[in-house]
Amino acid sequence: DIQLTQSPSFLSASVGDRVTITCRASQGISYYLAWYQQKPGKAPKLLIYSASTLQSGVPSRFSGSGSGTEFTLTISSLQPEDFATYYCQQLNSYLYTFGQGTTLEIK
Amino acid sequence: QVQLVESGGGVVQPGRSLRLSCAASGFTFSTYAMHWVRQAPGKGLEWLAVLSSDGTNKNYADAVKGRFTISRDNSENTLSLQISSLRADDTAIYYCARDRPSLDIWGQGTMVTVSS
Repeated sequence: DIQLTQSPSFLSASVGDRVTITCRASQGISYYLAWYQQKPGKAPKLLIYSASTLQSGVPSRFSGSGSGTEFTLTISSLQPEDFATYYCQQLNSYLYTFGQGTTLEIK
Repeated sequence: QVQLVESGGGVVQPGRSLRLSCAASGFTFSTYAMHWVRQAPGKGLEWLAVLSSDGTNKNYADAVKGRFTISRDNSENTLSLQISSLRADDTAIYYCARDRPSLDIWGQGTMVTVSS
């Protein structure tokens, strides 16, 4: 099975900061990676698909990059509503595993 | 509007079975593969199963293979998840989600608590 490892698991940052979250796959998954945002008590929300394509309606401060085994999610200038937990998910194999999550907290 | 609504959760005794449902509306359900994902309290997301648009191809996470069964009724726009031999570690919010192929639409989830 393909394992996804996110780093860091916790991130403390301030409004206006630029932050980057990394997702590493245990084997190559081409560009078959998505990023989700989840706020407490809510369902996850799709942010990025195919590693770098912004989902409709998602602010342009979110961006994704990478292919193969290493991927990044970048938020260019943190807004108060961005403090949440972020998950990557691989869609390369038919076992659609998630990363363990990265919680982004206000510093 | 495009919507998924889960139901069927509740408090269930260990060893019992449970059937969760997901009602789809606002889109052509029969043309999308569908997933189930769960989240235990305070934990991350765990992908469980996927079912193709016509119901012929399905895959399960190793952790639930043999106990969970995903199915759909395209005439009723409904996705289901049958869970047997429930265990305490099945306690979680269960979400259904549309495959686009990324999971672009999610329901609000239904809570399953396994407890005697």
